[in-house]
Amino acid sequence: EAQVTQNPRYLITVTGKKLTVTCSQNMNHEYMSWYRQDPGLGLRQIYYSMNVEVTDKGDVPEGYKVSRKEKRNFPLILESPSPNQTSLYFCASSPRPGGGYNEQFFGPGTRLTVL
Amino acid sequence: GNSVTQMEGPVTLSEEAFLTINCTYTATGYPSLFWYVQYPGEGLQLLLKATKADDKGSNKGFEATYRKETTSFHLEKGSVQVSDSAVYFCALGLSGNTPLVFGKGTRLSVIA
Repeated sequence: EAQVTQNPRYLITVTGKKLTVTCSQNMNHEYMSWYRQDPGLGLRQIYYSMNVEVTDKGDVPEGYKVSRKEKRNFPLILESPSPNQTSLYFCASSPRPGGGYNEQFFGPGTRLTVL
Repeated sequence: GNSVTQMEGPVTLSEEAFLTINCTYTATGYPSLFWYVQYPGEGLQLLLKATKADDKGSNKGFEATYRKETTSFHLEKGSVQVSDSAVYFCALGLSGNTPLVFGKGTRLSVIA
């Protein structure tokens, strides 16, 4: 089944404790992206990747890191989480670069709480 | 800049009622327009899209027409079901590296 998977689905952590949210897609998509969803703000893009070893900042990159060592994986890293990073996170992928024009496929989401 | 404005919710309707969720956009260039739906506890999934003016996207009984003159892409369904209860996002996409621009979402609740 074609899908985007994220792990974990739920995570409660404490301020300053490094964490990684994994994202994997099995559709051989070139373009991958991370979003956060907050009440009243909709979805905002954190980082995106046009292909392996090519990443770039989205609208709200502060406090996050990403890497793209393999085409299928695009982990989101919070080196020192803070409470304002409590949010619902979505990974998405798309067949080709130029993510705006092409349908994006979303993972199920990771609900992160930072205490 | 590029932006999407959609009607605020929540919207509560009875089963079989007519649905309209308004969406207007501002964009530099000629965007593609999308409606995504998010069912409870799930990620977003594409509901329909339109890539040029006067195109009509349709899926699962939902329709939206790309109106360049009014910069709108309103979502409609003639008869909603309880299973349509979800959050609906209007979005626009442009070429190149620019990300999708999402509206803030409209929560729809359909009651039997």
